[in-house]
Amino acid sequence: KNQVEQSPQSLIILEGKNCTLQCNYTVSPFSNLRWYKQDTGRGPVSLTIMTFSENTKSNGRYTATLDADTKQSSLHITASQLSDSASYICVVGDRGSTLGRLYFGRGTQLTVWP
Amino acid sequence: EPEVTQTPSHQVTQMGQEVILRCVPISNHLYFYWYRQILGQKVEFLVSFYNNEISEKSEIFDDQFSVERPDGSNFTLKIRSTKLEDSAMYFCASRGTKNSNTIYFGEGSWLTVV
Repeated sequence: KNQVEQSPQSLIILEGKNCTLQCNYTVSPFSNLRWYKQDTGRGPVSLTIMTFSENTKSNGRYTATLDADTKQSSLHITASQLSDSASYICVVGDRGSTLGRLYFGRGTQLTVWP
Repeated sequence: EPEVTQTPSHQVTQMGQEVILRCVPISNHLYFYWYRQILGQKVEFLVSFYNNEISEKSEIFDDQFSVERPDGSNFTLKIRSTKLEDSAMYFCASRGTKNSNTIYFGEGSWLTVV
């Protein structure tokens, strides 16, 4: 069964600190892995996208890693800001799907305190 | 930054009523999707649409649901005879080409069935 699991479920850090979020998936055949940021009541916004051949991708203070062999990914956030408070969702694309169906994790709820 | 727009942002409807959720995808995009997120749960795939027909649908997308692209700009999701469990945030998404990895999500339409 195609699944995406994330940890931790929630995380509280102080402003300026770094953190790392984890994602494990069983989606097969694998197409790509994305990290989205979702503010409460808003649509998901793409942070990074990685295909099978990529094992790291950066977008400003966000760095995602991918190990396609172990089917794991991480999202590292450096120098956190209050505006980073949101849900971070790991999303995996299914290459066997006609138009790239996406499977979503439950997200890690990140709270950044001043 | 191009965006996917959705209307209404919030709708309350009585059980058994029909609801139409509207989406305007990004203008030159070819692939369209509906996803939903029940409060506190994962975002789930409903349907993908290309060339005026459904490409793929999930087990959630039963006969109660239908999609349509009535003109060159709108993409609608119709829910017939709504049930309480249809209460969720419904996200429209679009993608430019099959080889484009970036999928843009709208802000969502929050449906409450009472």
